[in-house]
Amino acid sequence: EDKVVQSPLSLVVHEGDTVTLNCSYEVTNFRSLLWYKQEKKAPTFLFMLTSSGIEKKSGRLSSILDKKELFSILNITATQTGDSAVYLCAGNSGGSNYKLTFGKGTLLTVNP
Amino acid sequence: DVKVTQSSRYLVKRTGEKVFLECVQDMDHENMFWYRQDPGLGLRLIYFSYDVKMKEKGDIPEGYSVSREKKERFSLILESASTNQTSMYLCASSFGSPRGKLFFGSGTQLSVL
Repeated sequence: EDKVVQSPLSLVVHEGDTVTLNCSYEVTNFRSLLWYKQEKKAPTFLFMLTSSGIEKKSGRLSSILDKKELFSILNITATQTGDSAVYLCAGNSGGSNYKLTFGKGTLLTVNP
Repeated sequence: DVKVTQSSRYLVKRTGEKVFLECVQDMDHENMFWYRQDPGLGLRLIYFSYDVKMKEKGDIPEGYSVSREKKERFSLILESASTNQTSMYLCASSFGSPRGKLFFGSGTQLSVL
């Protein structure tokens, strides 16, 4: 059974702090790992990672994948209150279905 | 922008009722998915469809069925709603790529009393 584990489950920081969110995975026929941000209802896409060691970056957010150790991290630098959200990690298994297995998420709270 | 629209944001139903949750996407995506999201359990896949009239069970299909008569529309059906089906339901769609980038709707918070 595919499994994705995120840590920590929740985190409280102050504006300006840097945070690192962790995601480990065990996914059959692994294709990709995805990060989403969920503020209110709909998760919105952040990154998709397929290759080890290549950092994806978007503004203050960055992510990297380690396919040997089966984990990924999401970094947020100079956090802002608008970064407060649940961050979801998901592993994509190959095959005829394009199924994502999600972790339980990390609830990030950024206080002013 | 890709748009995935779920027909209701909030829904209150009684135990035993038949419930329909509708989802429409406007980007000609092949794949459509229904997830439920519960505190402490994360997102869990109920059913998905990779083509019209095709469906496959996800991790928790019991008590649910689906219908995909048109490419843009994917319906989730609770044949006889029960209180343990109170949850946030999220619909998603994706291109026919194996890499799995999903576009989500805003969700339907269903309460079964």
